[in-house]
Amino acid sequence: NAGVMQNPRHLVRRRGQEARLRCSPMKGHSHVYWYRQLPEEGLKFMVYLQKENIIDESGMPKERFSAEFPKEGPSILRIQQVVRGDSAAYFCASSSEGWRGQPQHFGDGTRLSIL
Amino acid sequence: AQTVTQSQPEMSVQEAETVTLSCTYDTSESNYYLFWYKQPPSRQMILVIRQEAYKQQNATENRFSVNFQKAAKSFSLKISDSQLGDTAMYFCAFILISSGSARQLTFGSGTQLTVLP
Repeated sequence: NAGVMQNPRHLVRRRGQEARLRCSPMKGHSHVYWYRQLPEEGLKFMVYLQKENIIDESGMPKERFSAEFPKEGPSILRIQQVVRGDSAAYFCASSSEGWRGQPQHFGDGTRLSIL
Repeated sequence: AQTVTQSQPEMSVQEAETVTLSCTYDTSESNYYLFWYKQPPSRQMILVIRQEAYKQQNATENRFSVNFQKAAKSFSLKISDSQLGDTAMYFCAFILISSGSARQLTFGSGTQLTVLP
């Protein structure tokens, strides 16, 4: 499967725990985007990364949330000390270029549930 | 800031008929792309069609076509010969393409389309 791979598909955490969401972009893609979809809403941008760099994190909460895209390995979205309001679907997308309108291809998402 | 508005939360259409989903957007920029994404019950996000703002010709992709009215900032999606598999949430999305600008997709709130047998 050469598409965007996200894991896990479903993640359950208790309040106060940490959640780690992984995203492997499509082969040849070096631009990764994370979006959050709350129930009954559209997707909202969180963060845009290239290899080893955060380009735009304007949509990501300042506290508890962090993202990385290391030289080797998948992109990671980390949520520390999760709260009920973090329950959502988190989508990762990748593209071959960041600003020429190349379509962003999405993974299947990670559904995060907070107990 | 860019905004995308989908004013139809829900729509339905009979199988084999044609349906049009509306989308309007607001931007002061001139270089951008517009997209329609489909999210079926499986919750995947699937790219349906895209339109470059500098192209006057409307994009088509098999049964899917758009009516792009740049002056009116309107970007509607027409689905011809609707099929049961078209049942999904449809999202209109916008992205700037000028270097140095924001590169994230801005999504509308979605239109839930149900194709009736």
